[in-house]
Amino acid sequence: DAEITQSPRHKITETGRQVTLACHQTWNHNNMFWYRQDLGHGLRLIHYSYGVQDTNKGEVSDGYSVSRSNTEDLPLTLESAASSQTSVYFCASSESSGTGQETQYFGPGTRLLVL
Amino acid sequence: RKEVEQDPGPFNVPEGATVAFNCTYSNSASQSFFWYRQDCRKEPKLLMSVYSSGNEDGRFTAQLNRASQYISLLIRDSKLSDSATYLCVVEGSWGKFQFGAGTQVVVTP
Repeated sequence: DAEITQSPRHKITETGRQVTLACHQTWNHNNMFWYRQDLGHGLRLIHYSYGVQDTNKGEVSDGYSVSRSNTEDLPLTLESAASSQTSVYFCASSESSGTGQETQYFGPGTRLLVL
Repeated sequence: RKEVEQDPGPFNVPEGATVAFNCTYSNSASQSFFWYRQDCRKEPKLLMSVYSSGNEDGRFTAQLNRASQYISLLIRDSKLSDSATYLCVVEGSWGKFQFGAGTQVVVTP
């Protein structure tokens, strides 16, 4: 069965360290997204990609970067982790049907704690 | 003002009762609307899309009011398993979702 996975599921790191969160999907979807979820906020879009070599900034992109070298993966890198980046991170993917009703499928999330 | 706003709840609902709640959105150009369900900070999962004419999926009914810019979700005959946080999702520019912070529903025996 197609799926979307994230690793690690839990991560503790120190401020200033570079951290990379992995996201891998086997849906063969062109669209991939990274969100963070914090108490009192909805999921907020960090970065997204509509295909290989395409990346775009979302509403909370400062301090994060992504790269898309193949269809299946969209790793998220925190260049220099800050305590404000402690959060739950979700990766999602959707197909490009052009209908405007694309369902996003979410990975299980990565809980990141920055000390 | 947030682009998508929801009453955080919790809505405490006796088993078998009906519960309804709304979500307001600010972007009048939004074309697609969804309800997602999230359990205990696990990944969100699609509950249902919301169509202009309103739609039902079993015990769940979704409505869209474009004039007042809100969508609603009604759950009939609530089950204990309906306890969750319901996320309102509005599609802004193509493929990008705006999420509400969620409405918590607690169904009690």
